[in-house]
Amino acid sequence: KAGVTQTPRYLIKTRGQQVTLSCSPISGHRSVSWYQQTPGQGLQFLFEYFSETQRNKGNFPGRFSGRQFSNSRSEMNVSTLELGDSALYLCASSFWGTEQETQYFGPGTRLLVL
Amino acid sequence: GQQLNQSPQSMFIQEGEDVSMNCTSSSIFNTWLWYKQDPGEGPVLLIALYKAGELTSNGRLTAQFGITRKDSFLNISASIPSDVGIYFCAGQGSGYALNFGKGTSLLVTP
Repeated sequence: KAGVTQTPRYLIKTRGQQVTLSCSPISGHRSVSWYQQTPGQGLQFLFEYFSETQRNKGNFPGRFSGRQFSNSRSEMNVSTLELGDSALYLCASSFWGTEQETQYFGPGTRLLVL
Repeated sequence: GQQLNQSPQSMFIQEGEDVSMNCTSSSIFNTWLWYKQDPGEGPVLLIALYKAGELTSNGRLTAQFGITRKDSFLNISASIPSDVGIYFCAGQGSGYALNFGKGTSLLVTP
């Protein structure tokens, strides 16, 4: 079974631009979560989608948004990029998005904002 | 989310040695998880703990869910070079989001 895939793997943008990252969950998984990983703050939860609806949200500004499609694929968008948005963005999937359910992570998209 | 205190921040050991790392939180968690992350990859789940006091092994790895539900530890016995990587603890409370520690960077010399 293929794992979680994320595209692109690397991205360079400039301040003020916007970016869209994509995540394809493991086949059959309907819950997709996004995390931001930085050296300073570590891994932080952004949001979680299930059946095309955002169910859980972390403490990030509105510039960070996402959506999920009917095939469970998810996209994350960051508008008006800031230098501090440089990070590894990780996507994780699970079947139902319930507590005590293993979240499987993808390899991440490394975003560099110049 | 809750920030977990994970220690040590880094470890440099010789092959064959045992390793111990731990995580503490000011909040109670219902689930404790231990992940390993290799360079350029996402975290991979090593061990999941679901009950206070639970002790679980996965090969050379052993982890425990603290009785207070505010801490957990991970032991690696007889380390080998492929154990190199960053180990993260994660706690899950009443919400779905995982709360991660800052990680323990492990280096193993042959």
